[in-house]
Amino acid sequence: DTEVTQTPKHLVMGMTNKKSLKCEQHMGHRAMYWYKQKAKKPPELMFVYSYEKLSINESVPSRFSPECPNSSLLNLHLHALQPEDSALYLCASSHKTGVRQKNEKLFFGSGTQLSVL
Amino acid sequence: AQSVTQPDIHITVSEGASLELRCNYSYGATPYLFWYVQSPGQGLQLLLKYFSGDTLVQGIKGFEAEFKRSQSSFNLRKPSVHWSDAAEYFCAVGASRGSTLGRLYFGRGTQLTVWP
Repeated sequence: DTEVTQTPKHLVMGMTNKKSLKCEQHMGHRAMYWYKQKAKKPPELMFVYSYEKLSINESVPSRFSPECPNSSLLNLHLHALQPEDSALYLCASSHKTGVRQKNEKLFFGSGTQLSVL
Repeated sequence: AQSVTQPDIHITVSEGASLELRCNYSYGATPYLFWYVQSPGQGLQLLLKYFSGDTLVQGIKGFEAEFKRSQSSFNLRKPSVHWSDAAEYFCAVGASRGSTLGRLYFGRGTQLTVWP
């Protein structure tokens, strides 16, 4: 299994809603990431989890709340989002974070397309 | 700080023609460079990467890229394009040894259109 699975694929929510995005991998990776990609733009890093601990928060607003309950699962909880938060949210994973080796690779999921109304 | 420039927003080629997508990077030390491809509404797929060693890197789907330190470039090439290669292509640079692998800085992307 070399996949990163994201659910749901599409999500429409209002500005007062609370929703969660889910990401799962069973490759034994201990580093997981959330990226945000606006239309026609490159992906931008939001959060990095290393061994289930948050190691990087790229100054993301608190209406985005990540959670890593175990080594296979990464969630992104959404609350009181704004229309400008509409984007493709990509999850990724890699074997580990701190050591750069030639066989290291970042695996991306297909993303959740989020629309905030 | 590291950054990536992809000067071409959109490139159109005919099927069977050769392809070169340009990428220039800015980074003080030896960079770690990547090319990703993305189809509409999909995640990113790694085509190839350069960490060290041989400056000509072979990737999947017949792609290759050459790292040229003197020009700060990492251009992607393919000798004969197929219609299925139509997609968005992103060049990315990673931080130095010991830093987080997934902390990539992406260029703005090049949209490739392939004419039959």
